Amino acid sequence: EVQLVESGGGLVKPGGSLRLSCEASGFTFSSYTMNWVRQAPGRGLEWVSSISSSGNYIYYGDSVKGRFTISRDNAKNSLSLQLNSLRAEDTAVYYCARDWGTIDYWGQGTLVTVS
Amino acid sequence: AIQMTQSPSSLSAFVGDRVIITCRASQGIRNDLAWYQQKPGKAPKLLIYAAYSLESGVPSRFSGSGSGTDFTLTISSLQPEDFATYYCLQDYSYPWTFGQGTKVEI
Repeated sequence: EVQLVESGGGLVKPGGSLRLSCEASGFTFSSYTMNWVRQAPGRGLEWVSSISSSGNYIYYGDSVKGRFTISRDNAKNSLSLQLNSLRAEDTAVYYCARDWGTIDYWGQGTLVTVS
Repeated sequence: AIQMTQSPSSLSAFVGDRVIITCRASQGIRNDLAWYQQKPGKAPKLLIYAAYSLESGVPSRFSGSGSGTDFTLTISSLQPEDFATYYCLQDYSYPWTFGQGTKVEI
């Protein structure tokens, strides 16, 4: 069974930093592109970032480019997102999501509150 | 970035109704479009990929169509468990973009 478990969310002040993690199991992690998608309270979904299976190709949404950094450790089946220079508008549930061409599996999300 | 315009933003329907949700892309995206269902407090669930391919385990009352810029999600006979918010996603080019969502209510 595919499982994606996020952690690392919490309350942080504007300008602060946070590191989110996603532990994957139930599939060959190193074969899949992975994504982060976020959802502000009461709002829609926003794609944040993507990293290819090898880590060689990385993409960011315009709203986070230069502030967030995605990375992965295929030996540990782990995906990370470093959030720097946080703003109030970054407050959201952050989902880790598997991608085989489109997103097919999502974690349960971790809440980041910037206040 | 490609903009996805989803409509309506909300709709009221009865059990048994046929429901149609549309997504329009600001430029052609071939058939690189997916549809998701999200219930309150839960992660989204994939329903349709590549515009019209039904994800395994998803009931056949859900169907997708379209290509290029105009896409539809159809629920042929709305069931009580289908009351949720639906999103389209273009995975044609980065940055990927979602539609604004359609809330289907009783």
